[in-house]
Amino acid sequence: QSVLTQSPSVSGAPGQRVTISCIGSGSNIGSVYDVHWYQQLPGAAPKLLIYNNKNRPSGVPDRFSGSKSGTSASLAITGLQAEDEADYYCQSYDSSLSSYVFGTGTKVTVL
Amino acid sequence: VQLVESGGALVQPGGSLRLSCAASGFTFSRYSMNWVRQAPGKGLEWISYIAGSDNTISAPIKYADSVKGRFTISRDNAKSSLYLQMDSLRAEDTAIYYCARVHAFFDYWGQGALVTVSS
Repeated sequence: QSVLTQSPSVSGAPGQRVTISCIGSGSNIGSVYDVHWYQQLPGAAPKLLIYNNKNRPSGVPDRFSGSKSGTSASLAITGLQAEDEADYYCQSYDSSLSSYVFGTGTKVTVL
Repeated sequence: VQLVESGGALVQPGGSLRLSCAASGFTFSRYSMNWVRQAPGKGLEWISYIAGSDNTISAPIKYADSVKGRFTISRDNAKSSLYLQMDSLRAEDTAIYYCARVHAFFDYWGQGALVTVSS
């Protein structure tokens, strides 16, 4: 089972702001390891959205932002658009497991 | 950068299968590579890692407990290819298998290969 916990779903109207939380522990997010976020559109492979807690790869709109504090991290989407409807996953590294770990995933629905 | 998986198929429980991932657009030998899978309707699960030549701090090969002893990851740098040999397959191994390039994060992913384990 996943060691990073995310809320199963969030929803918002177009133009609104939504946030997705990722809760870990002292052996992953709460340690020296960064948090990264992925967007998975329906039927597609995951795509890197945020790396090293808050950085966006080239081509990712600045509507997406990330942060990390203590043993948790957050992804915010401002100005929600229909094309943002997707599953979102956080990811880090866990020193106890000596492995990469993913969050449970959050489905974002645009109303 | 492009990653293209192949080899997905329907296989019976207890059977074997070998997945391949052809890489292009970067110096394959330098980068650590991974396999990540996603069961139908479920989340992402990291299953295996193999180090590249730029890796100096991590173990050369790692596996998730769920596949340890059954799956074997390997690479052929001359062919810019990554492999996953899957033995003793179980119904719970049914998933889309993605290869992904990694730093601390997975920056490029393939389109995935579907493996179905069923009689």
